[in-house]
Amino acid sequence: DGGITQSPKYLFRKEGQNVTLSCEQNLNHDAMYWYRQDPGQGLRLIYYSQIVNDFQKGDIAEGYSVSREKKESFPLTVTSAQKNPTAFYLCASSIGTSIVHFGPGTRLTVT
Amino acid sequence: KQEVTQIPAALSVPEGENLVLNCSFTDSAIYNLQWFRQDPGKGLTSLLLIQSSQREQTSGRLNASLDKSSGRSTLYIAASQPGDSATYLCAVNPSGGSYIPTFGRGTSLIVHP
Repeated sequence: DGGITQSPKYLFRKEGQNVTLSCEQNLNHDAMYWYRQDPGQGLRLIYYSQIVNDFQKGDIAEGYSVSREKKESFPLTVTSAQKNPTAFYLCASSIGTSIVHFGPGTRLTVT
Repeated sequence: KQEVTQIPAALSVPEGENLVLNCSFTDSAIYNLQWFRQDPGKGLTSLLLIQSSQREQTSGRLNASLDKSSGRSTLYIAASQPGDSATYLCAVNPSGGSYIPTFGRGTSLIVHP
């Protein structure tokens, strides 16, 4: 079955450490997205990529970085520059204008 | 900038009721609108996709309507069940080629037996 996998499901880090969240899709979708979800705030776009080796900042890109070296993979690094990194992170993909598929999410806790 | 608002933010109803969830958007230049369901601690699951040229879409007990000119969409849930308890989000895709959806904050629904 095609889908999006995110790992790990839960991630704990100490403040000041960089951490990378994995997102892999086998849907052959061109576009991939990273969203952050906080209670009561809905989904906010961090980065998106519409093609391999190209990506654009979303609304809240500061303190995050991404790469898109392969069509299937879009990892997100949360750097120590992100002031409030504790959140639920969702990866998504789409092809053209069709339905956006979401992964199961990674809950990151930084203490 | 597109803004998407969902009302109510939370809803608690007894099993069997018919429900209407509302989604409004400020810019009517949309390509399509989508309704999602999110269970606690999970990702989003697409429920219905309405193209801008369509008025409604149906899937089982769910019916979504779109009035692009007034910037509104409704999600109608018939004969609600406890298993419908979840957060429902709408997302608007703009016309013009970017296809970056704007999400509402969602309506948290509890259907109690």
